[in-house]
Amino acid sequence: ETGVTQSPTHLIKTRGQQVTLRCSSQSGHNTVSWYQQALGQGPQFIFQYYREEENGRGNFPPRFSGLQFPNYSSELNVNALELDDSALYLCASSVDRAFYEQYFGPGTRLTVT
Amino acid sequence: QKEVEQDPGPLSVPEGAIVSLNCTYSNSAFQYFMWYRQYSRKGPELLMYTYSSGNKEDGRFTAQVDKSSKYISLFIRDSQPSDSATYLCAPAADKLIFGTGTRLQVFP
Repeated sequence: ETGVTQSPTHLIKTRGQQVTLRCSSQSGHNTVSWYQQALGQGPQFIFQYYREEENGRGNFPPRFSGLQFPNYSSELNVNALELDDSALYLCASSVDRAFYEQYFGPGTRLTVT
Repeated sequence: QKEVEQDPGPLSVPEGAIVSLNCTYSNSAFQYFMWYRQYSRKGPELLMYTYSSGNKEDGRFTAQVDKSSKYISLFIRDSQPSDSATYLCAPAADKLIFGTGTRLQVFP
């Protein structure tokens, strides 16, 4: 069984730029959720994708957007980067939109300068 | 008031001790209660989850939920240095709401 993978591991961007982060879900999982984890904080829910559509969104502005592909992998796009976007971005996969039994990837550490 | 409150610690205990980690929450709609463990610079790892009130045991770990008092606990028996990590509670209704995490240090 293949776990959740994310790429890249680390990323440094400049304020105002755009970034794309990628996630491959665990084998057999059809739902992907994205989280932002600032230093010293718990992860915050950004949104969830199920059957290639957004299924629930947290308190994040529209410049945070996503995609899910037919193979259930997913992308998180962030436009007009701000310094406060510096964080660990985590994706988690599950089955049929479940929030219990979500399994997380290792995360992408984004630094905005 | 935050939806989920968790003491950030650090909590430092000797090897073999019983550890009690706790969270309180405010949203009565929460039905699932998860505990995650996160090692430094890694993604959270699901330890266990419970549905509604009650206890659940898995090896050295016991999760307890008291919905009447909106209180969530995780007990670790015979703690080991390898248990040193941050422990995150995460109740859920239509999404996971994480606490800030409690940093646990188990010293030999």
